Formats: sequence, structure tokens, C-alpha cells
Amino acid sequence: DTGVSQDPRHKITKRGQNVTFRCDPISEHNRLYWYRQTLGQGPEFLTYFQNEAQLEKSRLLSDRFSAERPEGSISTLTIQRTEQRDSAMYRCASSLGPGNEAFFGQGTRLTVV
Amino acid sequence: AQTVTQSQPEMSVQEAETVTLSCTYDTSESDYYLFWYKQPPSRQMILVIRQEAYKQQNATENRFSVNFQKAAKSFSLKISDSQLGDAAMYFCAYRSAGNQFYFGTGTSLTVIP
Repeated sequence: DTGVSQDPRHKITKRGQNVTFRCDPISEHNRLYWYRQTLGQGPEFLTYFQNEAQLEKSRLLSDRFSAERPEGSISTLTIQRTEQRDSAMYRCASSLGPGNEAFFGQGTRLTVV
Repeated sequence: AQTVTQSQPEMSVQEAETVTLSCTYDTSESDYYLFWYKQPPSRQMILVIRQEAYKQQNATENRFSVNFQKAAKSFSLKISDSQLGDAAMYFCAYRSAGNQFYFGTGTSLTVIP
């Protein structure tokens, strides 16, 4: 296992379309995070899983965003009815336990046109 | 809510010199962890150093060290003998035990040859 992998790496979609991103964390990591990052900003928290349970979701996240991690491993992030303001880098990270650092995937760059 | 503040959007340092990047955070918790991440132009997120709040000793990792002042809620990163490869965005991050990471807005470091 070489790290956190995300796909696709890039996604261009038309406004109003739905998109889904996939994250495959490091195998023994029980915690999984989704972040959004725009140019010149730090990662912004979206949601967090411990195993298959979604424990926290940002209040900034609209109802168009949903995430799943049904078997406590691979996670998906879906954005429905995309808007131009959704254009950003979406990053997944995983960690082993309390106090451990997060390991980040390379991200999925979303462009909504 | 926890917040992380990086008050220096940009910093520059001469090659082989020392530079310090500042970070402050706001929390009411006593048990937490602090991290510095580096984001080079490839936009990967790379862990630089971590500090447990319960440890009084400042963390050191080769040329990188921190000045952790718990009472002042300050967590600065010192880079000694700066190298061209150190040029990147640096993000300070806070993590409470078991919970999500909060990131600052980043400091862009330029290394001048």
C-alpha cells in the first residue's frame, strides 16, 4: 500500500451535473477525511469518518454534498447539481488514530464550467 | 471552534539562512496535536513535523524545529540552513484527540539563491 489514492485526478463537468470522487485510504487507517482546497487557501474540512461512521460534517457543506464509506475502507464524495463555486481541489486524507498525522492523497481537481 | 491563524501570507529567506514561520491557534482543549505540512508546487501535502501538546520539549526533525508555547497558543516553525527545495506553501494544522484537522491559510516561502 503506497498511500492514499484518489480518482479521478481531474474532472471537468458542466454546471448542474453530478460528480463522484473516490478515495482509497491507507489500508489500516480507520479515520478518513475529506477536505476542499482552493488556490492560496488551506484545506477546508468537509467531513470525517471513523470506520464506516460519518462522525462529523461541516456546517458549511450544503445538502448537495454527500459522502459514504460503507465498508470502512473506500470512500466516495458526491456533489449533486454542481455549481461553478464548487470548482476546487478535493482532498482525501486518512490517519491511524488519535494524534497521528493525516496522510493526504493527491486530490481531485474539479472544474465546473 | 478551533481556529488556526498564520499571519504571514508570504515569507522569503536567503539560501542557507534561517527562517521562522508563525502560527497561533485558539482552543479550549488541553489535549491536542499540532502539525506543520508542506505543499510544494506539485500540491502534494507532506508532513514536516508534529508536536503533542502534552510534551514540553519542542519537536525537532533535522533542519526543522518548532517553538511550542502552549500558554500563548503559539506554534512556530524554524527552518535552518534553508535549501531551494524548501520553497513551498507551509500549513499549520491543529488536531484535537480523535477529531478533525484544522488548517491555517498558509505561508508561501520563497528561498532566494
